Amino acid sequence: DIQMTQSPSTLSASIGDRVTVTCRASQSINSWLAWFQQKPGKAPKVLIFDASNLESGVPSRFSASGSGTEFTLTISSLQPDDFATYYCQQYHSYPWTFGQGTKVEMK
Amino acid sequence: EVQLLESGGGLVQPGGSLRLSCAASTFNFRTYAMSWVRQAPGKGLEWVSSIRGSRDPTYYADSVKGRFTISRDNSKNTLYLQMNSLRAEDTAVYYCAATNYDFWSGPGDWGQGTLVSVSS
Repeated sequence: DIQMTQSPSTLSASIGDRVTVTCRASQSINSWLAWFQQKPGKAPKVLIFDASNLESGVPSRFSASGSGTEFTLTISSLQPDDFATYYCQQYHSYPWTFGQGTKVEMK
Repeated sequence: EVQLLESGGGLVQPGGSLRLSCAASTFNFRTYAMSWVRQAPGKGLEWVSSIRGSRDPTYYADSVKGRFTISRDNSKNTLYLQMNSLRAEDTAVYYCAATNYDFWSGPGDWGQGTLVSVSS
């Protein structure tokens, strides 16, 4: 199975901050990676697919990059609506696996 | 975009069974691969099972293999998850998710989830 490791687990930031989350795969997944945002009591929402493609309707302050085993999600200027938990997920092969999540909280 | 609505969750005793359903609002449901993903209380996301549009092949997480069965009825635009021999560790919100290969190969659309509680 492909293991996905996210860092950090928790991130404290302020409005306007640039925020970066990292995801590492235990083996190459090419660009078969998605990023999700999840708020309490809600379903995950896809932000990014194929490692760097912004889902329709997602604000442009979100961006992502990477391929192979190293990936990053960046929020260029953190907004109040962005406080949430973020997950990476590989769909290169079954079993699909998720990172453990990064909670972005207010500093 | 496809709308997904899960149902069938509830409280069940250890060793019991439950069948989840996921109704999809799309005329081309048969073209979507479908999956179940769960989330235990306060925990992260865990993929459970997937099925292609034509019903074969199917895929399962090791944690549910032999106990859960994924299936679909394309005439009813509905996905199912038959869960047998339930354990306390199966307690979670279960989400169904749809994959439209015309866009990308992962779970692009999600339902709101249904809660399964396994307890005596």
